[in-house]
Amino acid sequence: GQSLEQPSEVTAVEGAIVQINCTYQTSGFYGLSWYQQHDGGAPTFLSYNGLDGLEETGRFSSFLSRSDSYGYLLLQELQMKDSASYFCAVRITGGFKTIFGAGTRLFVKA
Amino acid sequence: ETGVTQSPTHLIKTRGQQVTLRCSSQSGHNTVSWYQQALGQGPQFIFQYYREEENGRGNFPPRFSGLQFPNYSSELNVNALELDDSALYLCASSSGTGTVLTEAFFGQGTRLTVV
Repeated sequence: GQSLEQPSEVTAVEGAIVQINCTYQTSGFYGLSWYQQHDGGAPTFLSYNGLDGLEETGRFSSFLSRSDSYGYLLLQELQMKDSASYFCAVRITGGFKTIFGAGTRLFVKA
Repeated sequence: ETGVTQSPTHLIKTRGQQVTLRCSSQSGHNTVSWYQQALGQGPQFIFQYYREEENGRGNFPPRFSGLQFPNYSSELNVNALELDDSALYLCASSSGTGTVLTEAFFGQGTRLTVV
């Protein structure tokens, strides 16, 4: 079967750095994406890794290791507005399916 | 705002009824995907349409069907509604053939309640 594992909750303080991990077991792999979703809102795209390594976009960075079936999202200089759910998602080969993880709820404290 | 619009925003239906949800994709995007998101869960992939053809499907029964129109807007139809179909239904548009995971833009969703 296809599965993505990520922590259910993470708590951090304003200004800190937090890392959200994602491990995946899928049949085929095109790439790993990260989405942010605030309560009552739509998921918004944060980053994509198709190849191994680090991608940086402002305060957010994402890393992928295809050999380890592992990736992470790094959020720096945390702000209160970063409190949201974060989802990793994998596009698998064979049918153009996209599988989402169950999400990590991030709480940022003052 | 992403430019992906879904209608209606909220809907209440009775078990056994049929429902049609609509999605207008972002200008220039030729691929539309539909997801079901239960409360506290990640989006579950229903299917994807590329240039009016379904080219990817998740583990949903045939009573979940869809269409994509020449202007790339899309519909999700669910027949014989069940209580477990109550969820947020999300539409996402992107460009490409589907093999490359381009940035997907999500609509605000339709909250479906089946009673």
